[in-house]
Amino acid sequence: GAVVSQHPSWVICKSGTSVKIECRSLDFQATTMFWYRQFPKQSLMLMATSNEGSKATYEQGVEKDKFLINHASLTLSTLTVTSAHPEDSSFYICSAWGGAVETQYFGPGTRLLVL
Amino acid sequence: GNSVTQMEGPVTLSEEAFLTINCTYTATGYPSLFWYVQYPGEGLQLLLKATKADDKGSNKGFEATYRKETTSFHLEKGSVQVSDSAVYFCALTAGGTSYGKLTFGQGTILTVHP
Repeated sequence: GAVVSQHPSWVICKSGTSVKIECRSLDFQATTMFWYRQFPKQSLMLMATSNEGSKATYEQGVEKDKFLINHASLTLSTLTVTSAHPEDSSFYICSAWGGAVETQYFGPGTRLLVL
Repeated sequence: GNSVTQMEGPVTLSEEAFLTINCTYTATGYPSLFWYVQYPGEGLQLLLKATKADDKGSNKGFEATYRKETTSFHLEKGSVQVSDSAVYFCALTAGGTSYGKLTFGQGTILTVHP
């Protein structure tokens, strides 16, 4: 139990386009989801906390107008990278809090490459 | 602020060797402590956790004890296998809640050879 999925698993896009990444909790409801960014051989950097039905809380230094987060239901949060540029290329990971053993459950990640 | 420091890797071991990955932390209040594992190409999986001082988390042969006096949460396994090769992250969430924001260490790459 407590599975979190992400879609797509990888995406390649042209500079200037927008990319949407979905994060779903498949078998539990998650009032809180988190979005992370991971650079090669580095740790995870928390980008924002997403609460169902309210605005996301962004970490210092993360541009909220560039990384749009929507948490419209208890099982779905989306991250949209607007006007993507090559420096946005990274591995994006979401997590959802909840499940039978209440903790954070992580999705498999989405690899974004902006050309 | 909160921070987590892990021993630098990579760590390379032979199968059946003993593993220790050191983790120390700085936090206000009473944090919960976690070890996560990331296998190649996959997301993070919770390996074990401890929510208060002297608690021992254990799973899949791995153990870690919450040491408040030394602010440490070292990961150990008595006999590693090739399948344990992965990146291991120590993490904490402040305030003793398991749903709060996680602060991660930098990760330690473990490679186990047959």
